[in-house]
Amino acid sequence: DAGVIQSPRHEVTEMGQEVTLRCKPISGHNSLFWYRQTMMRGLELLIYFNNNVPIDDSGMPEDRFSAKMPNASFSTLKIQPSEPRDSAVYFCASSPGLASNEQYFGPGTRLTVT
Amino acid sequence: GENVEQHPSTLSVQEGDSAVIKCTYSDSASNYFPWYKQELGKRPQLIIDIRSNVGEKKDQRIAVTLNKTAKHFSLHITETQPEDSAVYFCAAIFSGNTGKLIFGQGTTLQVKP
Repeated sequence: DAGVIQSPRHEVTEMGQEVTLRCKPISGHNSLFWYRQTMMRGLELLIYFNNNVPIDDSGMPEDRFSAKMPNASFSTLKIQPSEPRDSAVYFCASSPGLASNEQYFGPGTRLTVT
Repeated sequence: GENVEQHPSTLSVQEGDSAVIKCTYSDSASNYFPWYKQELGKRPQLIIDIRSNVGEKKDQRIAVTLNKTAKHFSLHITETQPEDSAVYFCAAIFSGNTGKLIFGQGTTLQVKP
């Protein structure tokens, strides 16, 4: 099993640019989670999906952030326009779903907005 | 509200000693409590979890205990080794949320050789 796959692993962009982060969950997992990690705020849940449907997006900081899950094997997190305060490590995690709550994290994308 | 408090924020022990990290949670209906280990620059990795129908679970040198009445759970690491040095996060899943984990603030564990 390849585990959760994220791309890119590192992203450096200028303020105002659009950033798209990508995630492929573990095959067969029904739930997908996007987290943001910073020193100041720790690990924050941004949004999560069950069976490709967004369930809770209350953690999305503002309208500049959006997430989609067009099918069971792919999700994107988009920031437009990006700002320096968006600099963080963004993790995607997947879980088998209601039958099992274990979440498995991807390697993360380190985003730097200058 | 949904909240998980974790203590201490930093912990330093000598190699071979035990380490204990404690977490409290707010929702008495919570029923799943995982622990994650995150090494520097790496992803959080699930190391052990416990469900509300048991009070203790062990896996080699690590164990987790749960006190539902007091709404707290703890991670115990025995015979600590330098490779145990990492940030440890506790989490709780809340009833009414389909899989949403609330994480504690993290504990930085340093094991000195």
